[in-house]
Amino acid sequence: LAKTTQPISMDSYEGQEVNITCSHNNIATNDYITWYQQFPSQGPRFIIQGYKTKVTNEVASLFIPADRKSSTLSLPRVSLSDTAVYYCLVASSSGTASKLTFGTGTRLQVTL
Amino acid sequence: GAVVSQHPSWVICKSGTSVKIECRSLDFQATTMFWYRQFPKQSLMLMATSNEGSKATYEQGVEKDKFLINHASLTLSTLTVTSAHPEDSSFYICSAREQGDTGELFFGEGSRLTVL
Repeated sequence: LAKTTQPISMDSYEGQEVNITCSHNNIATNDYITWYQQFPSQGPRFIIQGYKTKVTNEVASLFIPADRKSSTLSLPRVSLSDTAVYYCLVASSSGTASKLTFGTGTRLQVTL
Repeated sequence: GAVVSQHPSWVICKSGTSVKIECRSLDFQATTMFWYRQFPKQSLMLMATSNEGSKATYEQGVEKDKFLINHASLTLSTLTVTSAHPEDSSFYICSAREQGDTGELFFGEGSRLTVL
């Protein structure tokens, strides 16, 4: 399984755009990248998933360069409620159900 | 979207007792579910992969006799913490994938276990 590296923590003011970068130098051809959000005492919640280039949904964008050795989660105009831990995961498909291994995550603190 | 539900959401028990946590996929079938453990301010640690109709696959360092996993149906997996001790106190989270290998992984709400 490819290992991921993220900043331990980030701070932002409300209304700003936040970009969290994740490094996954050993990503394999079949791997895809998924980001999850977790609030205290809750299970992680899916944010976005991608394989290459750019993916956008209603809450975030995911930028993946051509070499796929990193990815950047972009949260537009964060609010206080976006304070959470964000996990970048790289999953390897095994032909059966692939398991996801969580890294350290990035603790985002949004303030006024 | 698909929902995974855990029960109980929190439990307090005495040292030496056993506690069962249920994980259900409410509107989809899951041949595989995953059990995680999370200590305060730490990341999720994968404990085991629960396979419907067969034995669970445990991660290195996780005692299979301590953490019994049963996946008797396509919508239910249970984790039993046997002879619980205070060091077993943690946040236990299950997850299940709706379909295929790259489908979204849905997580339960988590179950907080406190062993006195």
